[in-house]
Amino acid sequence: NAGVTQTPKFQVLKTGQSMTLQCAQDMNHNSMYWYRQDPGMGLRLIYYSASEGTTDKGEVPNGYNVSRLNKREFSLRLESAAPSQTSVYFCATPGQGSHEQYFGPGTRLTVT
Amino acid sequence: EDQVTQSPEALRLQEGESSSLNCSYTVSGLRGLFWYRQDPGKGPEFLFTLYSAGEEKEKERLKATLTKKESFLHITAPKPEDSATYLCAGLRGATNKLIFGTGTLLAVQP
Repeated sequence: NAGVTQTPKFQVLKTGQSMTLQCAQDMNHNSMYWYRQDPGMGLRLIYYSASEGTTDKGEVPNGYNVSRLNKREFSLRLESAAPSQTSVYFCATPGQGSHEQYFGPGTRLTVT
Repeated sequence: EDQVTQSPEALRLQEGESSSLNCSYTVSGLRGLFWYRQDPGKGPEFLFTLYSAGEEKEKERLKATLTKKESFLHITAPKPEDSATYLCAGLRGATNKLIFGTGTLLAVQP
C-alpha cells in the first residue's frame, strides 16, 4: 500500500519548457488534489478533481492544466514554465471514509 | 475571506520543555480542523482531525484541542525527534477544500 506516489522527485526546467507531474493513489478515493508550497505562503490549492472525469480550479490555477486520467491518476501540466512556478508540488487524496488528506512526497521544481 | 493563521512562526524549545502552538481560523462552515507534521523535504503527515469545539485528540506527546475560534497543539516534554514544521488546516464546508496556515517551525534542542 504505497498511498500517494509522485514523479519525478526533482526537476529543473528552463523558462518556456513544458512538463507533466504525475500522481497516483491507491487509497481508492474519488477526490484528488494538487497543491504548491512556497516559503511563507503555506500550501495553496492549484486544481482538484472530485471524481474521475471532473476537474475544478483552486486558488492558484493560472499557468497549469490537469488531467484526471482514471480514478488512480491525476496529472498536472505546465505548458510554458515560468520562474514564478518554482515551487514544491504536492498531490493529495483523502482516506476512505474520512476527510483528512494524505500527501505524496512532493516534486521539487526549479524554473530558471 | 477564509483564513488560517498560525503562531508563532518559529519556536525553539529545550528537550522536556512543554509548550503550545496556536492556530486561529475563520473558515466558512468549518467541517473539520486538521493538524499535520512536515519534515524537511517530505510531504505533510496527517496527525489529527478535530470536528467540534471541546474535542481533544492525543498521540504520544501531542494533544490537539479545538475551540470555536482556534486550535492548540500542546507538546508535552518534547524530544528532539519532535522537531518539524506543524501545519494547521481548516476544511471549508461544502467544498472539501483545505485552507492551510503557514506553519510553525519547531526546533527541540537536546
